[in-house]
Amino acid sequence: GQQVQQSPASLVLQEGENAELQCNFSTSLNSMQWFYQRPGGSLVSLFYNPSGTKHSGRLTSTTVIKERRSSLHISSSQTTDSGTYLCALELYNQGKLIFGQGTKLSIKP
Amino acid sequence: EAAVTQSPRSKVAVTGGKVTLSCHQTNNHDYMYWYRQDTGHGLRLIHYSYVADSTEKGDIPDGYKASRPSQENFSLILELASLSQTAVYFCASSLREAGQLYFGEGSKLTVL
Repeated sequence: GQQVQQSPASLVLQEGENAELQCNFSTSLNSMQWFYQRPGGSLVSLFYNPSGTKHSGRLTSTTVIKERRSSLHISSSQTTDSGTYLCALELYNQGKLIFGQGTKLSIKP
Repeated sequence: EAAVTQSPRSKVAVTGGKVTLSCHQTNNHDYMYWYRQDTGHGLRLIHYSYVADSTEKGDIPDGYKASRPSQENFSLILELASLSQTAVYFCASSLREAGQLYFGEGSKLTVL
């Protein structure tokens, strides 16, 4: 079965609203990564987060390994935040990354 | 700034032809990866390498070969391109296995 599930699959918000993206996993992991994929296709690393909470500007990543979930919070969204957000988990003791299917975020002006 | 560059960025190939996608990194990373992205499948690992002159199979290696002639360079080779290999291909590097990934811009391959 699917080891990593991202939700929602798509999200449409008005500019200024906050976005909450979820990544749930069914297996033990060493770390979690979050990526942003631009509409043109390139991928940018947002967070490398083994556990706990990390901040970067308007972005916050929280990973709770015991609860098998990670979230990405975007505050005061902007139209330039539109794109696809991918999570990837490093399987415990396997040195392998598994990617989620992504959340497509659209921010309307 | 870490940098991974791919070439070509876009290519149209004929069925049965040979295609080589190239990747160059200036991160001084040991690990390099080739991923394929298709709608509905997310990112899937094709081949990876952790040292020059050695490559390892990923999750979907069939129909692909890889070459790592130096720490900086990693190529993906399709000896006999097929329609099903139409996809966007991403190269990435990391300092350690399954560590923080740095991606290239992607190479869009269309096989006709």
